[in-house]
Parts: sequence; C-alpha cells; structure tokens
Amino acid sequence: ETGVTQSPTHLIKTRGQQVTLRCSSQSGHNTVSWYQQALGQGPQFIFQYYREEENGRGNFPPRFSGLQFPNYSSELNVNALELDDSALYLCASSFVAGKNNEQFFGPGTRLTVL
Amino acid sequence: AQSVTQPDIHITVSEGASLELRCNYSYGATPYLFWYVQSPGQGLQLLLKYFSGDTLVQGIKGFEAEFKRSQSSFNLRKPSVHWSDAAEYFCAVGTMEYGNKLVFGAGTILRVKS
Repeated sequence: ETGVTQSPTHLIKTRGQQVTLRCSSQSGHNTVSWYQQALGQGPQFIFQYYREEENGRGNFPPRFSGLQFPNYSSELNVNALELDDSALYLCASSFVAGKNNEQFFGPGTRLTVL
Repeated sequence: AQSVTQPDIHITVSEGASLELRCNYSYGATPYLFWYVQSPGQGLQLLLKYFSGDTLVQGIKGFEAEFKRSQSSFNLRKPSVHWSDAAEYFCAVGTMEYGNKLVFGAGTILRVKS
C-alpha cells in the first residue's frame, strides 16, 4: 500500500510568482485536504477536495486554489506569492468526506518565498 | 469557533521519566480528538484518536490519552519516555462541519535529556 506522497520536497520562489504543489493520495482514498504549517505553528486547513469538487475551505484568499483529478491526486496552486506564504504545505488523504475518518499525511512541501 | 490550546510550547523530560502533554479544546458538539507527532522535516503521524466510548485511549509507541469532557481536555501521557520520542506533538479536534477539517493546536516540542 503506497502512502501519501508530495512533490516537490522543497521549493524556492520569489514574491509575485505562482507555484503548484502536488499530492498523490493513499491507495483507496477519495478525499484530499491541504494544510499550511507556518514556522512554529500548527497546521491550518486550506481546503478539501472530494470527488474532484471543493468540499470546504478555511480562511485563505482565492489566490489559493486547488484541483483533484479522477485518480484522486491533487494540486495546490498559489498565485501572486507573498512572503507570508513561506511554510510547509501538507497534504492529507482520507476515504470518505464528511466523516472523521483518519487523515493520512504526506511529508510536506517546504515553500520559501523570497 | 473551534480551537485547541496546548499551553506548553516546550517540555524537557529525562529519559525514563513519565510525560504528560496538555491539550484543551473548544468545540460546541462532541469532539473527535487526535494527537499527532511530527519529527523534524517530516509529515504528521497519528498517535491516537478519540471518537466515542472509553475515555482512555491507547495509541502507538506506548502513548495514551484521556478525554475529560468536564475539563475540555485530552492530555497525552507516556509512562516512560525514550530518547526517540523527542519531536513536536500536536493535538487536534476534528469537526463535522463542511470540509471535515482538523483544527490543530500550536504544538509542544518535547526534548528528552539523557
């Protein structure tokens, strides 16, 4: 059974650029959630995707957007990068949206915005 | 709104000593509670979870946690700490609201001295 994978591991961008982060769900999972973890803080919920539709969103601006593909992999896109976007971005997959089934986390992508 | 408080930013214990990490939550309904551990540069690993039933839950690596509704607490304990337990620990509450998001505390960094 393959776990949750994320790519790339590290990324450096400059202010104003756009970035795409990728996540492959654990086998058999149909829901993907994205979290932002700033240095010294706990993860914060960005949004969740279920069956290719956004299924809930945290307090993040529209320049944070996502996609989920038929194979349940997912992308997180961030436009017009700001310095405060520097963080570890975590992807988590689970089986059924709307229930508190366990979310399995990937290792994260470390984004640095200069 | 849901929130999780972990009052201790850092805790240092001697190897072999007992450990208790504190977690208090604020949530209007019956909470789903989780403890995760994060090693440097790694994603989050689930230690244990509480959904319902017995208020004392057992997890991996010898950890346990007790749900106390009257105190809105879900403290993590381990009777004898090992050097490999040094990591950051996050308490989280799972919400049943749209998006099934996890709300995390700010984390407690555990240092183990030999």
